[in-house]
Amino acid sequence: QVQLQESGPGLVKPSETLSLTCTVSGGSISDYYWSWIRQPAGKGLEWIGRIYKSGSTNYNYNPSLKSRVTMSLDTSKNQFSLRLFSVTAADTAVYYCARVRISYSEAFDIWGLGTLVIVSS
Amino acid sequence: QSALTQPASVSGSPGQSITISCTGTSSDVGGYNYVSWYQQHPGKAPKFIIYAVTNRPSGISNRFSGSKSGNTASLTISGLQAEDEADYYCSSYTSNITWVFGGGTKLTVL
Repeated sequence: QVQLQESGPGLVKPSETLSLTCTVSGGSISDYYWSWIRQPAGKGLEWIGRIYKSGSTNYNYNPSLKSRVTMSLDTSKNQFSLRLFSVTAADTAVYYCARVRISYSEAFDIWGLGTLVIVSS
Repeated sequence: QSALTQPASVSGSPGQSITISCTGTSSDVGGYNYVSWYQQHPGKAPKFIIYAVTNRPSGISNRFSGSKSGNTASLTISGLQAEDEADYYCSSYTSNITWVFGGGTKLTVL
């Protein structure tokens, strides 16, 4: 049974960089695609980006965040990561990592529990 | 990219059926059969309940069904139960090789 667990600082100062890691257990990170999704308190879900390894590492990012986002994959640790630069209060949200299931027409079939990140000085 | 349009809220009595719509464009919902639906209870992570417009993953009740017509996808829940009270989100692949979610619909079981 594949499980995902987000980790990282719960508090980030404005203008600094938000860094989160998702640890995958029960399966190989190389076999699937992976995404980050966030949810501000009381609001809807926002897709941040997707990463996968097919020969080289491939990425797709939300156009509204593309200039501030990078994602990476560490197959030796079975982890993938998110970095969001120059954060503001608007980036305060619960951040989820999720598996993208290609055979399910790229649905997000497994989610982590989520981690709350607050941007505040 | 703009969020897909969902009604903010719907309600129904136990045993009844409700339908939640999800409207996009020909560049997302209307252009691909890559629409999925998610159920989210308060304080919990979303749970995926429908993929590829109409398909239920293993373990999901057949009371949940999906459909699509043009640029609008729909989720129908039949035989409403108290445990169905939750927020529901649709999602679609887009022509920009990105994903977009709906704004979410709060289902109240009266």
